[in-house]
Amino acid sequence: GNSVTQMEGPVTLSEEAFLTINCTYTATGYPSLFWYVQYPGEGLQLLLKATKADDKGSNKGFEATYRKETTSFHLEKGSVQVSDSAVYFCALSTSGTYKYIFGTGTRLKVLA
Amino acid sequence: NAGVTQTPKFRILKIGQSMTLQCTQDMNHNYMYWYRQDPGMGLKLIYYSVGAGITDKGEVPNGYNVSRSTTEDFPLRLELAAPSQTSVYFCASSLGSGHRENTGELFFGEGSRLTVL
Repeated sequence: GNSVTQMEGPVTLSEEAFLTINCTYTATGYPSLFWYVQYPGEGLQLLLKATKADDKGSNKGFEATYRKETTSFHLEKGSVQVSDSAVYFCALSTSGTYKYIFGTGTRLKVLA
Repeated sequence: NAGVTQTPKFRILKIGQSMTLQCTQDMNHNYMYWYRQDPGMGLKLIYYSVGAGITDKGEVPNGYNVSRSTTEDFPLRLELAAPSQTSVYFCASSLGSGHRENTGELFFGEGSRLTVL
């Protein structure tokens, strides 16, 4: 079946450090891939997405590229801020279905 | 634009009690979902609905029931609360497949933290 695996946290970085959160997936067909972010006390909100191979999603300085050959969708940001502290979820959905599969989430803590 | 609204935000139940978590959305979305979020476990799908009058089980439906009498509302009912149901519950909605405008994005409520003692 479909699944999403993302690196375990917590990840602790200093402000302005480079961020990578790894995400790999297993899916039949051609899924859409997402990164959601959850700030403390809030629900999840979409950060970025990519719908086909080699697409790059980007938002708020975050980027992720849909790599079909490595079945990966790693999240990156060149310079993190304290305000980026949150839990990040990688997810996929398969075309034409209701199914969204979420990873277990990676907590990021950025220190000033 | 309110989006997805859940109530209550917090609730403490005793074992065996019943309650309903309310969820409403004002985006005219066809698909609605209930997830539970346990620490370190990500989100697990409890129930989902693809339209008014249609509901189906997700990964972890035992101990829960849902109904979808209108497009806007998707309440989740716990009939006999158990400590294993202590969790944070999220309602979400999406436009649904078949819509040209569908981006695949899920819109989440702020969550309902339930503790069963």
